[in-house]
Amino acid sequence: KNQVEQSPQSLIILEGKNCTLQCNYTVSPFSNLRWYKQDTGRGPVSLTIMTFSENTKSNGRYTATLDADTKQSSLHITASQLSDSASYICVVSGGSWGKFQFGAGTQVVVTP
Amino acid sequence: GAVVSQHPSRVICKSGTSVKIECRSLDFQATTMFWYRQFPKQSLMLMATSNEGSKATYEQGVEKDKFLINHASLTLSTLTVTSAHPEDSSFYICSASVARGNEKLFFGSGTQLSVL
Repeated sequence: KNQVEQSPQSLIILEGKNCTLQCNYTVSPFSNLRWYKQDTGRGPVSLTIMTFSENTKSNGRYTATLDADTKQSSLHITASQLSDSASYICVVSGGSWGKFQFGAGTQVVVTP
Repeated sequence: GAVVSQHPSRVICKSGTSVKIECRSLDFQATTMFWYRQFPKQSLMLMATSNEGSKATYEQGVEKDKFLINHASLTLSTLTVTSAHPEDSSFYICSASVARGNEKLFFGSGTQLSVL
């Protein structure tokens, strides 16, 4: 079973609307959690990284939250733009150093 | 921010030939580099982990003789797909990790391999 579960698998939103992506993990011990944006045919680009003690972190219109007690994270996209169309990947680091567990990603499509 | 350069970005080759993909960390020393494979609309699949100067650790099901990884320096790792076949066609991505407490992880831009 994957130690990082993302939901929804995909979603379609209208330009200008907000959306929230979810990431639940079972990785233990926990080191940090990252959100990446991956455009089709490109490598992932880091959006945020949070450690155990951080509850929220923003990067422009992207805001990530982390609840280390419930092992849940969310990525909120505000006022979506067409360029936000991409796959968003949750990556959790923990256990043996250097081991990164990847979620399957959420495919976001922003329509005009 | 740190940059990982990966090239070529796209390669087309004939079946039976070998293809080398390079991954370079441009402004930092990467203690560990990772190689992934990604099929369309699927998540990244870790193939192997390599530390500078030592043999790569391959994930279960990945043929080490098929996918040769060399990590000769702290800034360069290469993946060679030997005797490529059409089923090796995929998107290959590398990433580099910085240790010393922050475990930052940076990705290359990926290489689309098409084997004819």
